[in-house]
Amino acid sequence: NAGVTQTPKFQVLKTGQSMTLQCAQDMNHNSMYWYRQDPGMGLRLIYYSASEGTTDKGEVPNGYNVSRLNKREFSLRLESAAPSQTSVYFCASNKELAGGPDTQYFGPGTRLTVL
Amino acid sequence: LAKTTQPISMDSYEGQEVNITCSHNNIATNDYITWYQQFPSQGPRFIIQGYKTKVTNEVASLFIPADRKSSTLSLPRVSLSDTAVYYCLVGDNTGTASKLTFGTGTRLQVTL
Repeated sequence: NAGVTQTPKFQVLKTGQSMTLQCAQDMNHNSMYWYRQDPGMGLRLIYYSASEGTTDKGEVPNGYNVSRLNKREFSLRLESAAPSQTSVYFCASNKELAGGPDTQYFGPGTRLTVL
Repeated sequence: LAKTTQPISMDSYEGQEVNITCSHNNIATNDYITWYQQFPSQGPRFIIQGYKTKVTNEVASLFIPADRKSSTLSLPRVSLSDTAVYYCLVGDNTGTASKLTFGTGTRLQVTL
C-alpha cells in the first residue's frame, strides 16, 4: 500500500513552459486535492475532486487545470508556467467516514521552480 | 471555516511535555478540530482529531474545553524527531470532499 504518490519529485521550468504533475492513490478514496505551499506558509487549496469525473476550484486556481483521470489519479497542469508558481505542490486524498470526520492523506510533494 | 490562531513557534528540550494551544473563537456546531504535523520536505501527516473533551492516541492527546473555543495539542516526552510544524484546523469535515484551511502553523524546535 503506497498511499499517495506524486511524480516528479523535482522540476525546473522556464517561464512559459507547460508541464503536468501526476498524483495517484491506492486507498480507494473518493476525494482528491491539489495544494501549493510557498516558503514559510501553510498550504493553499488549488483544485479538488469529490469523485471521478468532477473537479472544483479551490482558493488559488488561476493558472492551473486539473484532470481526474479515474478514481486513482488526479493530475495538475500548468499551461504556461510563471515564476509566481514556484512552490511545493502536494496532492492529497480524503478518507471519508460515514457520519464522522474525514482525514486527508498527503503525498511527498513536487518541488517546482520556474525561472 | 473557523479562523484559528496558534503560536508561531515554540522551543522545548527533549523529554519534556509540549502543549500547543489553538484558539478558534468562531467554531461552529458541526466543526471538528484536527491537528496535522509536517516535517521538512514532506507532506502534512494527520495526528489527532476531536470534537469535545479529550482524545488520546499513541502519538498525542487533544484537550477541548466545554466551550470549544480553543484546543490544546499535548505531546508527551518529545524527542528530537518531533521537531516539525504543527497545524490546527477547524472545519466541518464530515461531508463529501471536505476542504481544509491551513494557517502558518506552530514551528516546534526540540533540542537536547
